[in-house]
This record gives sequence, structure tokens and C-alpha cells, in this order.
Amino acid sequence: QKEVEQNSGPLSVPEGAIASLNCTYSDRGSQSFFWYRQYSGKSPELIMFIYSNGDKEDGRFTAQLNKASQYVSLLIRDSQPSDSATYLCAVKRRNTDKLIFGTGTRLQVFP
Amino acid sequence: GAVVSQHPSRVICKSGTSVKIECRSLDFQATTMFWYRQFPKQSLMLMATSNEGSKATYEQGVEKDKFLINHASLTLSTLTVTSAHPEDSSFYICSARDRDRGAYGYTFGSGTRLTVV
Repeated sequence: QKEVEQNSGPLSVPEGAIASLNCTYSDRGSQSFFWYRQYSGKSPELIMFIYSNGDKEDGRFTAQLNKASQYVSLLIRDSQPSDSATYLCAVKRRNTDKLIFGTGTRLQVFP
Repeated sequence: GAVVSQHPSRVICKSGTSVKIECRSLDFQATTMFWYRQFPKQSLMLMATSNEGSKATYEQGVEKDKFLINHASLTLSTLTVTSAHPEDSSFYICSARDRDRGAYGYTFGSGTRLTVV
């Protein structure tokens, strides 16, 4: 079992819709959870992070964390074609600075 | 904001030669630097963690004699791919850690596309 798992997609949504991206992790000692966006051939860009159970909102983005289920998700409201990219979930364990990445979900937003 | 400069952005080398990739934090001191490798349509795989002045810690399955990491100062880390082979062709990305910035303190370089012919 991989430490961080994501559906590779592609996830296709129409412009204006809500895109829902999911991630599960295996280590219960995980402390912080990150969502990055990566365009092809570029390095990842931080969207947001979360470390407490519940929801965290930032503009059109909402991260949701459920530690009991070892599940973290990212909702993108009012999806735009410019949101088309690969979304990477990353996990930081307690007592280490390492970020472990999932395989990423490719999102396609069509006009 | 925090900036990490990674060079070169692209490099093509012949099989059997060595290639050095530089990762430099421009406006902060990085307590730790991480090196990742990414194959097409795959995720970032952590290769190693380096701290200034000490030996790098390699992830399981990564050959330390092949991927030499030097972290000479708080602002510079280098990755040398020795005796490169076509299977080493990949996208290599560094990340510099600034603990003072907490969860915001991970800054990625722009990546190096290595092609071994």
C-alpha cells in the first residue's frame, strides 16, 4: 500500500462546476496535509494546507480533513479552464520535515 | 517571497557522464533541502534529504553512490548524477525548507529536465 494514494484521473468537469479531488494516507502519525497544483513541466505550487479535522476554506478552494478515515480532499468551486492541471496531495509525518506525495490527479476543466 | 533557483533547467548528456544540478535559496537560509525525481505522469518521489554540513539521508532504493548530494552551505545544495544512463532521464526538483515559515516554508525549484542519450 502506498503511503499517499490518489486517483490518477483524468477528472473532467465543466467550467463553473465543483471539482472534488480525494486523497487517502496510510500513516496515522501524519500531521499536516498539503495540496499542490502542478502544470506540465513545472514545479508544484502550494494551494493550501490543513492539519485539523474539518474544513478549511481559501477563496474557491476548500480542503477537508478526516483523520479517523485518513482522508483529505480538495474542492474547487467555480472551476475554470485555467484550473486544468495535476493536483498533488502531500503528507508530512510528525517529527520529520519530509513531504510524501501522492501520484496526483489530473483535472480537466472544459468550457 | 521565498525564491529557490535551480540550474540548469534542461540538460542533455551522454551516457556515462556526470551531471551536476544546483539548488540555491536566494533570500532565505534553508535548514533542509529535499531532492525529488519525477518520471512522466508519475508523482514526485523523494530521493534524499540534505542538511547543511552533514551527510544526506537517502530514501530506500536510491543509490547514494550514484546520486551524490552536497549541502555546503545554508543556501546551496547540489545533486550530481554520476555515470548517467538513459534510465536516469527524468525531471529532478529540489525543495528548500525554511522552518521559520512553518507550513509555508517549502519552496520548490523550477526543476531540471535531464535527458541521457
